[in-house]
Amino acid sequence: GENVEQHPSTLSVQEGDSAVIKCTYSDSASNYFPWYKQELGKGPQLIIDIRSNVGEKKDQRIAVTLNKTAKHFSLHITETQPEDSAVYFCAASFSGNTPLVFGKGTRLSVIA
Amino acid sequence: ETGVTQSPTHLIKTRGQQVTLRCSSQSGHNTVSWYQQALGQGPQFIFQYYREEENGRGNFPPRFSGLQFPNYSSELNVNALELDDSALYLCASRLGQVAFFGQGTRLTVV
Repeated sequence: GENVEQHPSTLSVQEGDSAVIKCTYSDSASNYFPWYKQELGKGPQLIIDIRSNVGEKKDQRIAVTLNKTAKHFSLHITETQPEDSAVYFCAASFSGNTPLVFGKGTRLSVIA
Repeated sequence: ETGVTQSPTHLIKTRGQQVTLRCSSQSGHNTVSWYQQALGQGPQFIFQYYREEENGRGNFPPRFSGLQFPNYSSELNVNALELDDSALYLCASRLGQVAFFGQGTRLTVV
């Protein structure tokens, strides 16, 4: 089955700097890669996703890149703000009938 | 706001008891998935329901069971609770591959 590895487990950046979180997946059939942000005491919130037919997707300060050959994808947050502090999870799946498989998460701290 | 609501938000149970957690899906979403999230870990897939039928199950014992109703709301039932069942239980309403999560139910087994 699918296995998703996520790095780093913790990340501290200065406000205004960029943050990058990386994930690798094992199943070449996976074609959908979402990113979730989870704040303390809340459920995961979908922030951006990408499908395997594109290499990059942007939404304001957030971008995701996908390298299908290497089977890895990354989340890029630019101009970080204190409210970006949270735990971020990557995930992968290959159909609507198969579950999302999650990485173990990255705790991002943005220091003002 | 995802439109997915879970109840209760917090729950304390004693080892050996049974518990039922509830989820109201986003309107129009006919697939619901349940996940268990231990402290400091990513969500782990328990099972998924599509149009009231279970169509996928993770590595969880049979004492974890579920139901999906015609209005697409759902329940997760856990029998014979163990201390290791203490976790955040998440319900996700799916539209194709896209999943929207509720706020979760924090279950503590003592």
